[in-house]
Amino acid sequence: SAVISQKPSRDICQRGTSLTIQCQVDSQVTMMFWYRQQPGQSLTLIATANQGSEATYESGFVIDKFPISRPNLTFSTLTVSNMSPEDSSIYLCSVEGDRANYGYTFGSGTRLTVV
Amino acid sequence: AQKITQTQPGMFVQEKEAVTLDCTYDTSDPSYGLFWYKQPSSGEMIFLIYQGSYDQQNATEGRYSLNFQKARKSANLVISASQLGDSAMYFCAMREPDQGAQKLVFGQGTRLTINP
Repeated sequence: SAVISQKPSRDICQRGTSLTIQCQVDSQVTMMFWYRQQPGQSLTLIATANQGSEATYESGFVIDKFPISRPNLTFSTLTVSNMSPEDSSIYLCSVEGDRANYGYTFGSGTRLTVV
Repeated sequence: AQKITQTQPGMFVQEKEAVTLDCTYDTSDPSYGLFWYKQPSSGEMIFLIYQGSYDQQNATEGRYSLNFQKARKSANLVISASQLGDSAMYFCAMREPDQGAQKLVFGQGTRLTINP
């Protein structure tokens, strides 16, 4: 299965600023998924990123707040814009496995704290 | 409506005992997949086991097995001979086609604690 390198692993940011999270996959993938995990909560899908098209956002998430880029089949970024303390979460990217029983692979996550 | 339900917020089990983590799901699509993930305190998501909706047999992977009861829409994870290292959050997830995107939807999770 694919290996994902996600950066940064953690950051502490000032409110009102933006942070860009990067995910690099070691193979070409059609779709990449971005999740948010708020403290003590489950994973919630933010958006699905297809190469060459705009990302598809889930209900409750908007492009102005979470712009996503997908310039090629191995790379994607998620930006958390105009941050507030409520944005403090773990952000994870994910790709589907080559076969169903391989599962989805996740990046190691970005632990974001907004102060 | 919640698509994946895990009704056990926390479970406490003695080491070497077997443990069953519950998961029920809701979908009208005949083609779907069910996954279990383990998330230790480090935060990484570790894939454990997969069950396809058309699979005739319950999935097994080492000490992990999935008790798949399709009519009841349940997909419980069974961990045999639990170990201290099994202490973690466990998430059940379902994949169903949604306008071409194979998205995963997660349950609320169960925090499993293995006591020595």
